Amino acid sequence: KAGVTQTPRYLIKTRGQQVTLSCSPISGHRSVSWYQQTPGQGLQFLFEYFSETQRNKGNFPGRFSGRQFSNSRSEMNVSTLELGDSALYLCASSVRPFNTEAFFGQGTRLTVV
Amino acid sequence: GENVEQHPSTLSVQEGDSAVIKCTYSDSASNYFPWYKQELGKRPQLIIDIRSNVGEKKDQRIAVTLNKTAKHFSLHITETQPEDSAVYFCAAAGGSEKLVFGKGTKLTVNP
Repeated sequence: KAGVTQTPRYLIKTRGQQVTLSCSPISGHRSVSWYQQTPGQGLQFLFEYFSETQRNKGNFPGRFSGRQFSNSRSEMNVSTLELGDSALYLCASSVRPFNTEAFFGQGTRLTVV
Repeated sequence: GENVEQHPSTLSVQEGDSAVIKCTYSDSASNYFPWYKQELGKRPQLIIDIRSNVGEKKDQRIAVTLNKTAKHFSLHITETQPEDSAVYFCAAAGGSEKLVFGKGTKLTVNP
């Protein structure tokens, strides 16, 4: 069974640009969550999607958005990039939302210069 | 909303010793408490989880205890080995309907 796949693995963007990250969940998993990981801040919740609907959103500005497709694949978008957006972005998939085992992808390392 | 505090932020032990990491949560409706291990450069992986209807759970050298009254839960690793060196994250989920993580504990096991 294939694991959670995130693409791309690495990205370098310039301030002001926008970026789209992709996450393909484990087959049969309908819930996808996104997290931002930075040193000292741990894993901060961005949002969660289940059956193409955003069920929950963390405390991030509106520049951060996402969506989920009918095949459960999810994308997140960050517009007007800032230096502080540099981080490892992780997605996790699970059979159902929030209180079951979540399987993480390897993440996308975003560097904003 | 839910808040999860994790202590200590760093922990150094000698091989063979035990390690304990503690977390507290704020939302009394939380009912699911997983622990994740993240080795350097790798993805977080679930090592053990516990639900609110259970007070303790063990899996070989790893155990988790939950005190619902005090709203805290702990990870215990016995007979630590160098390969246990990693960052460990606790998390809680329930009332807020999202999985909230602590800030992590960097465990170093010295040979």
